[in-house]
Amino acid sequence: AQSVTQLGSHVSVSEGALVLLRCNYSSSVPPYLFWYVQYPNQGLQLLLKYTSAATLVKGINGFEAEFKKSETSFHLTKPSAHMSDAAEYFCAVSDRGGGFKTIFGAGTRLFVKA
Amino acid sequence: DTAVSQTPKYLVTQMGNDKSIKCEQNLGHDTMYWYKQDSKKFLKIMFSYNNKELIINETVPNRFSPKSPDKAHLNLHINSLELGDSAVYFCASSQGALAGARTDTQYFGPGTRLTVL
Repeated sequence: AQSVTQLGSHVSVSEGALVLLRCNYSSSVPPYLFWYVQYPNQGLQLLLKYTSAATLVKGINGFEAEFKKSETSFHLTKPSAHMSDAAEYFCAVSDRGGGFKTIFGAGTRLFVKA
Repeated sequence: DTAVSQTPKYLVTQMGNDKSIKCEQNLGHDTMYWYKQDSKKFLKIMFSYNNKELIINETVPNRFSPKSPDKAHLNLHINSLELGDSAVYFCASSQGALAGARTDTQYFGPGTRLTVL
């Protein structure tokens, strides 16, 4: 079965610093991978997704992620953190089943210090 | 115009009561979902419907019953509420066309915070 592991339940960076949120996946079939963001008291929204086209995926708000098959990773990065990036970030993998089931990681809370 | 809406936003109720949460999407999507997010932010799928047909039914107490009157609506009814049901419940939808389903983006509602006293 597919699964994702997010390393670090909390990450703290200074404003302007690099953001790196780690995600490793486990999949017996070519995975489709997603990063979603959840701002306080809101639902999740898609940041970006990997669907087997380019391995470097660019998303909204300056985020990007690189699919590395050899490392089974899909880490999320942003060159310069902004205060508005403070949120919960979820990595997810699409299950091989009916195609409608997405497995979410446990989430990583990003704190941005002024 | 809100894409995925849920009502109510907050729900506080006593143990043993029955309550419903409603969800509507105006995106024309075929697939809708219910998720439960616990206090540790862990997000777990409960149910999914595709064109009014139940396609995902996770291990959820049968006190929880989804109903989809049409493909734009997916409601969640909970009987005999328990303390452990306290959580945020999210509705979501995706296009759900069979060929592309695994790559579909899910669009989430704002959530319903359920507190059982």
